[in-house]
Amino acid sequence: DTEVTQTPKHLVMGMTNKKSLKCEQHMGHRAMYWYKQKAKKPPELMFVYSYEKLSINESVPSRFSPECPNSSLLNLHLHALQPEDSALYLCASSQEKSGALGNQPQHFGDGTRLSIL
Amino acid sequence: QKEVEQDPGPLSVPEGAIVSLNCTYSNSAFQYFMWYRQYSRKGPELLMYTYSSGNKEDGRFTAQVDKSSKYISLFIRDSQPSDSATYLCAMGNKFYFGSGTKLNVKP
Repeated sequence: DTEVTQTPKHLVMGMTNKKSLKCEQHMGHRAMYWYKQKAKKPPELMFVYSYEKLSINESVPSRFSPECPNSSLLNLHLHALQPEDSALYLCASSQEKSGALGNQPQHFGDGTRLSIL
Repeated sequence: QKEVEQDPGPLSVPEGAIVSLNCTYSNSAFQYFMWYRQYSRKGPELLMYTYSSGNKEDGRFTAQVDKSSKYISLFIRDSQPSDSATYLCAMGNKFYFGSGTKLNVKP
């Protein structure tokens, strides 16, 4: 079992639906991440939060809206998605030391497998 | 040229073999290196983390970093069928992953 919990594990939605993915960690990490992973491809960074503030947005379309309500929770709100958005969405967290992101290893959840009809 | 190159495999070895997995990178700004193991339908699991040139050992796993050559390796000793998975190298401070190498250890 991972220490980063993602819900739901699977999600099927239509292109007009609104849904949210949730991620929770209790390791005291202050950096949290969303990645998208297509089949047989590596994870691709979408967003990074540091101390509950958005630090990095990798030019992700606005139909994906992240939110970090507190240091343990990370949400990804979905609206008007396209079929090509079907993928595994991974949440990760890491410590943050010396004010520099990325110098500590990330710990991943098992992801939400999203299918857009 | 991709910033991180990793042979996608698949790599098939008999049980008990020593496995060598490798990544090369082009950006000298990469300073932190991780290896992850990903089973089918699961998230990546951290195996090794290192930031200096040289070797780091943890059980059957050894991570090797050569910053002068921009080359990192993961060695798995006494490989087991349970090691069958995709192995991803990652460049920590830029959040880049290699494409992953699919490993199959045959009983």
